[in-house]
Amino acid sequence: AQKVTQAQTEISVVEKEDVTLDCVYETRDTTYYLFWYKQPPSGELVFLIRRNSFDEQNEISGRYSWNFQKSTSSFNFTITASQVVDSAVYFCALMNNNAGNMLTFGGGTRLMVKP
Amino acid sequence: NAGVTQTPKFQVLKTGQSMTLQCAQDMNHNSMYWYRQDPGMGLRLIYYSASEGTTDKGEVPNGYNVSRLNKREFSLRLESAAPSQTSVYFCASRRGINEKLFFGSGTQLSVL
Repeated sequence: AQKVTQAQTEISVVEKEDVTLDCVYETRDTTYYLFWYKQPPSGELVFLIRRNSFDEQNEISGRYSWNFQKSTSSFNFTITASQVVDSAVYFCALMNNNAGNMLTFGGGTRLMVKP
Repeated sequence: NAGVTQTPKFQVLKTGQSMTLQCAQDMNHNSMYWYRQDPGMGLRLIYYSASEGTTDKGEVPNGYNVSRLNKREFSLRLESAAPSQTSVYFCASRRGINEKLFFGSGTQLSVL
């Protein structure tokens, strides 16, 4: 069985603050993929990143960065200099090569960025 | 540039009524999925179709049925709706194994 835990259900920051969203996963597989999706107030799900289990390099995309650490089974997401438009629910998800290759989601973290 | 299209966007049902949620994708994707989203529980997989002609149960299949009508379309049916099925439903598709999912805009369903 696989599981994704996002312990922070809600985070509130003031604009321009940095914020890190935590994601911890469990899987018995050695090959797997990790994802982050953003769900803005409009409701759609927007893909942010995919990372495979063999690539532990951190990634930066503009104000977004991801820290993948297999040793702690974590795939954390940091937003630098947050903006009001970053307000959304963020989901971390795990996909392995077994069990129909299904995508398992964490419970989500609601981020509120106040002006 | 439609992507994944779901209908309807909103629906209110009475307990015991039936309905079908429609989903179509125009990206020639092989796999299609139905998820439900409930507060604090993320998205949970109801059913999926790895390829045309196949369907399999996900994490929470009870009370639902699906049909992969063709490569483009994957419908979700509630035969006898219950209040516990009040949720937001998302259809998704992807081209192949380990690829990212593309999601529809969701259907907000309320069962009274």
